[in-house]
Amino acid sequence: SQQGEEDPQALSIQEGENATMNCSYKTSINNLQWYRQNSGRGLVHLILIRSNEREKHSGRLRVTLDTSKKSSSLLITASRAADTASYFCARDSGNTGKLIFGQGTTLQVKP
Amino acid sequence: KAGVTQTPRYLIKTRGQQVTLSCSPISGHRSVSWYQQTPGQGLQFLFEYFSETQRNKGNFPGRFSGRQFSNSRSEMNVSTLELGDSALYLCASSLGGGGNTEAFFGQGTRLTVV
Repeated sequence: SQQGEEDPQALSIQEGENATMNCSYKTSINNLQWYRQNSGRGLVHLILIRSNEREKHSGRLRVTLDTSKKSSSLLITASRAADTASYFCARDSGNTGKLIFGQGTTLQVKP
Repeated sequence: KAGVTQTPRYLIKTRGQQVTLSCSPISGHRSVSWYQQTPGQGLQFLFEYFSETQRNKGNFPGRFSGRQFSNSRSEMNVSTLELGDSALYLCASSLGGGGNTEAFFGQGTRLTVV
């Protein structure tokens, strides 16, 4: 089973609106990453945030990390239909090469 | 530069057969990790190879095995296939290991066991 939860499991919004996805985890981390997956294809890396960082931006994406609450959030601003995908958070396991993924949030952006 | 290439993209096998999946990482990347994705269990880590050595292994039965060659290409093998092995198998390459650096994923191999 996976160690980490994401909410909501599904999110449906209109184009132009903002989308916020949350990720919680149980143990301490060195870093946390966010990935996007389009319809059963490969994962695309979005952002990596380290445990000593609180916020990171990349284009329309903003990721925050609260290590005291063991949670992270991904905000997509001014969403587009092309943002429709599943979004996963993944934390390092402390063991090299292993990422532990959350269950994912399925985002639908309606044109 | 070329991305991570997985072959084949789709595969249909019969229960009891074995299958070999291939992954060519990004040039210069020495770490290759494998994941299984199913609707019920999500993304589960299988194993990771670095410079031809398995560094980490997930909680999968011994029917799942892998190897890495000197050119960093990796293969995973599943023997005695079961219906529950039907899944999308993803490999990811990274410079030093996906836990601490960005991992680049291939498009996956969709395996269907009938």
